[in-house]
Amino acid sequence: ETGVTQTPRHLVMGMTNKKSLKCEQHLGHNAMYWYKQSAKKPLELMFVYNFKEQTENNSVPSRFSPECPNSSHLFLHLHTLQPEDSALYLCASSQVQREETQYFGPGTRLLVL
Amino acid sequence: AQKVTQAQTEISVVEKEDVTLDCVYETRDTTYYLFWYKQPPSGELVFLIRRNSFDEQNEISGRYSWNFQKSTSSFNFTITASQVVDSAVYFCALSEKNGNKLVFGAGTILRVKS
Repeated sequence: ETGVTQTPRHLVMGMTNKKSLKCEQHLGHNAMYWYKQSAKKPLELMFVYNFKEQTENNSVPSRFSPECPNSSHLFLHLHTLQPEDSALYLCASSQVQREETQYFGPGTRLLVL
Repeated sequence: AQKVTQAQTEISVVEKEDVTLDCVYETRDTTYYLFWYKQPPSGELVFLIRRNSFDEQNEISGRYSWNFQKSTSSFNFTITASQVVDSAVYFCALSEKNGNKLVFGAGTILRVKS
C-alpha cells in the first residue's frame, strides 16, 4: 500500500444524503488532516488530528463531521451538504515533532447536486 | 498572521525553456518551514521540498532548484529545461514551528507546450 489512500475518488450526492469519506495512511504518522480545495480558492485546512485528538477545527460547518478512530484512519462524515460544498477533499498525514512534512492522498472529488 | 503569495496565476512555456515560479511569504515566527508541492491533473499533491528557516542554502535536485532568500522573504522554484510532464499546479506553503498548520499560496498553473 502506498502512502495515503482515499476512498471514494469521486462522489456525487444530493443535499439530503449522508455519506462518508475515508482516508488511510500507511506511513506510521501520528497526525492527520482534512483540506478542502474549491475552484479558484486556496487550499483550506479544515481539521487536524494529533494522536487521534482533534486539535484544530477551522470554523467548519457542522454538516462536516470528522472522526479519527486511530492514527491510521480518518473519516469525514457528510450530511445535508450544499452545492457550494462541491470541491476536492484532500487528506494528509505527518509525523508531528519529527519530519513534519505533510503527505497527501489523491483526494475525493465531491459534487453536491 | 502567516501569508503566502504566489503572484503568477498561470505561466505558459515551450518545452526546454527554463521557468521560475515565485513565492513570497510573511510570518512573525523566527522558526518556520517552507514547502513546494506539485498538483498534477490527477489531483494529488506531491511533496517536492521542505526548507527550514535556518537553512538558506539553495538546493538542486535534477532539473529542479530552489532559491531561499530570507532578506526578501522569498522561496522561488526554478525548473530547468521544462518538459510537458511538468505541467501542473505548483503550490508554495508555509508552516510555523510545530508543522501542523500549513498555509498555502493560491498556486501557479504551469503549462509546458511541446
